[in-house]
Amino acid sequence: DQQVKQNSPSLSVQEGRISILNCDYTNSMFDYFLWYKKYPAEGPTFLISISSIKDKNEDGRFTVFLNKSAKHLSLHIVPSQPGDSAVYFCAARDSGGGADGLTFGKGTHLIIQP
Amino acid sequence: GAGVSQSPSNKVTEKGKDVELRCDPISGHTALYWYRQSLGQGLEFLIYFQGNSAPDKSGLPSDRFSAERTGGSVSTLTIQRTQQEDSAVYLCASSPWQGRTNEQFFGPGTRLTVL
Repeated sequence: DQQVKQNSPSLSVQEGRISILNCDYTNSMFDYFLWYKKYPAEGPTFLISISSIKDKNEDGRFTVFLNKSAKHLSLHIVPSQPGDSAVYFCAARDSGGGADGLTFGKGTHLIIQP
Repeated sequence: GAGVSQSPSNKVTEKGKDVELRCDPISGHTALYWYRQSLGQGLEFLIYFQGNSAPDKSGLPSDRFSAERTGGSVSTLTIQRTQQEDSAVYLCASSPWQGRTNEQFFGPGTRLTVL
């Protein structure tokens, strides 16, 4: 029973265009969302986050949008660059206390084509 | 400064053997997490330490898995009587714990292969 879903295993985008990575969740107790980027043979690195009290957070080329009613978030990267090619994981934190571990999606492999 | 380090980077073992995986968190980080990533899956939360205590062991998949943390720093994850389904990348992360919204900093992982 996946609580965080990334339905696109891979996404191919041309350099310079916008990349949009999507994430859906089912647990209404999630109150904080993070995006991580992972290169092969490396651990995930934090990219950007958003609290459930916001609907948008921007950091340079990266913007995360949160639609709480739809339980959906998306990561926009514009313009896309070759170094953005990586696996992107959506993660969420449960506000209900207890586990402080993050719940991750399966990831989307973003490929930026020249 | 140094990031999170893990050792070994790769471990191949035979079914039934015990293995120990080590994590050195970022100095000063009080929170430490273990995750694993099986092939084609997302990261699965295993256990969380705050200091030396583990308030949350909910993710440990079986009693063959245990973890400890000493001195509020280094942590070891032990898997006893390994099974083939234990094959995965085991990732450790730490955070400075200034509140629950702190992002977690990950190590490079240990790739465990159980033959």
